[in-house]
Amino acid sequence: SQQGEEDPQALSIQEGENATMNCSYKTSINNLQWYRQNSGRGLVHLILIRSNEREKHSGRLRVTLDTSKKSSSLLITASRAADTASYFCATDAHQAGTALIFGKGTTLSVSS
Amino acid sequence: EPEVTQTPSHQVTQMGQEVILRCVPISNHLYFYWYRQILGQKVEFLVSFYNNEISEKSEIFDDQFSVERPDGSNFTLKIRSTKLEDSAMYFCASSGGFDGYTFGSGTRLTVV
Repeated sequence: SQQGEEDPQALSIQEGENATMNCSYKTSINNLQWYRQNSGRGLVHLILIRSNEREKHSGRLRVTLDTSKKSSSLLITASRAADTASYFCATDAHQAGTALIFGKGTTLSVSS
Repeated sequence: EPEVTQTPSHQVTQMGQEVILRCVPISNHLYFYWYRQILGQKVEFLVSFYNNEISEKSEIFDDQFSVERPDGSNFTLKIRSTKLEDSAMYFCASSGGFDGYTFGSGTRLTVV
């Protein structure tokens, strides 16, 4: 089954540093999305990249997608303590309204 | 910005009791979903709903679960006879099709 899997599982950095999280999946996708979740809270949609796109930016976020390698990366530049959260990638298939498949997530800790 | 609203935010119920989790999706969205996240684990797809019927469901969504869109605005998840292992965060989401999903803040269900 298609599945996003992130690595690393946990990442600890200092404020101001960049954080890079990777995601791999197994089958063809329509798009790939990244979500953020603060501890015990809901999922916040960060960015969506379509299968025909290679890179996308949103503020301090940069997402790349390599469909040949079935992988994506999320880069957070100039991290802040408030970026501390879990980050998940999620994929869906080539069908409107199909289920999102989430990876296990990367837990990011940013210390000041 | 439009939101997906979930109520209640936290529900405690006794094992064997029925619970109904409620969601108000974004009004012009066509696809509705329920996901769950057991504490410390990844987000899992339960069911998707389109055109007043289930369009896709996972193995988790067995006979104890049901969904309904009773009045054109609410979208509910019913768990008929709760078990301890149903304790989780339940997320409702909606989408317009091929774009990103909007998730609610979740209902934390605790079965005692």
